[in-house]
Amino acid sequence: DAKTTQPTSMDCAEGRAANLPCNHSTISGNEYVYWYRQIHSQGPQYIIHGLKNNETNEMASLIITEDRKSSTLILPHATLRDTAVYYCIVRSQTGANNLFFGTGTRLTVIP
Amino acid sequence: NAGVTQTPKFQVLKTGQSMTLQCAQDMNHEYMSWYRQDPGMGLRLIHYSVGAGITDQGEVPNGYNVSRSTTEDFPLRLLSAAPSQTSVYFCASSYGLASHNEQFFGPGTRLTVL
Repeated sequence: DAKTTQPTSMDCAEGRAANLPCNHSTISGNEYVYWYRQIHSQGPQYIIHGLKNNETNEMASLIITEDRKSSTLILPHATLRDTAVYYCIVRSQTGANNLFFGTGTRLTVIP
Repeated sequence: NAGVTQTPKFQVLKTGQSMTLQCAQDMNHEYMSWYRQDPGMGLRLIHYSVGAGITDQGEVPNGYNVSRSTTEDFPLRLLSAAPSQTSVYFCASSYGLASHNEQFFGPGTRLTVL
């Protein structure tokens, strides 16, 4: 599975869009990009995933560059409840559904 | 649905003691797994199972045993606890075996080994 690089921490003002970047320059053609988040001391929570097209759901949007070497998770209107550690994970479709977590980005939403 | 449940929430052990961390899911998920999370770090995979009767090792399996006798339950056993096993343990499950399936995580068990 491709390795990912994320900033250690970010701040965002409440009500503004939070844009969380992720680099995955060694991603291969059959690997998806997944985002999970972990709110303080809780189990991780799935947010969104994508292959090459941009994706949107009720929680967030995922923008993947055309060369697929990087992506951005967008929380359109951040709230205090979005304060969490966000993990970008690259995973192939083959094999068991095992996730390999890095250290993620700690997003702090500021009132 | 209760989702993924874990018991106990907290546990303190002495070095050398054994115990079992319980994990159960009521979503009829085939895939279940155990992760540990040390302070300031991401989760690391211990063991996983792709169905009843089938288990396999993850990234950090040493010191842990698992079994999967039913679809619903996936207990994690510490045979002889060591201080290095002090951590937060998370159980997860997903429907089917494909890696694009969303994983659901339990609330975690906080284990301290003295």
